[in-house]
Amino acid sequence: QQQVKQSPQSLIVQKGGISIINCAYENTAFDYFPWYQQFPGKGPALLIAIRPDVSEKKEGRFTISFNKSAKQFSLHIMDSQPGDSATYFCAAISSGAGSYQLTFGKGTKLSVIP
Amino acid sequence: KAGVTQTPRYLIKTRGQQVTLSCSPISGHRSVSWYQQTPGQGLQFLFEYFSETQRNKGNFPGRFSGRQFSNSRSEMNVSTLELGDSALYLCASSFSGANTGELFFGEGSRLTVL
Repeated sequence: QQQVKQSPQSLIVQKGGISIINCAYENTAFDYFPWYQQFPGKGPALLIAIRPDVSEKKEGRFTISFNKSAKQFSLHIMDSQPGDSATYFCAAISSGAGSYQLTFGKGTKLSVIP
Repeated sequence: KAGVTQTPRYLIKTRGQQVTLSCSPISGHRSVSWYQQTPGQGLQFLFEYFSETQRNKGNFPGRFSGRQFSNSRSEMNVSTLELGDSALYLCASSFSGANTGELFFGEGSRLTVL
């Protein structure tokens, strides 16, 4: 059972456009939602993260929107640039040092075309 | 500050063999976690070691094991390799633990099982 569903699988956006990637989760015990960015041949890197007590978090051109009642969260990349072309993973973590759950979405390959 | 180093970067094994992968974390990080990345299943959490103790583990068979040394370096071992074990194995280090989502990934070890 996939605990975090990510869509779309791939996304093509024009330079300057808005990229939107969505994730949905089922386990209400999840209480931390990070996003990671992975370039080809590299490991993922933490991009931005949010807790469910806020509905939105913005860092530069990257914004996470969170809808607790719908159990959904999304990443918005404003003014998308070719350098943003990468695979993006959402994740969900339940708190607790010993028995936490850490689950990733299957990733979205973003291509930003000039 | 040096990043996370994984060795070897590439390796080819045959079914039934075993493999050991190594991960050197960022200096000062006591947590090392391991992940399997495949096109079909995406990124999956294997286990985490914190100060030489296994702190958490994902849903993988016992053929997957690990350990951490006093200098925080970690090794992951896969015994009796199967074709389905072909994947990119990533490790990540963290100062506070994988449950914080603040993960610094290495570039991975790509394992091919023939």
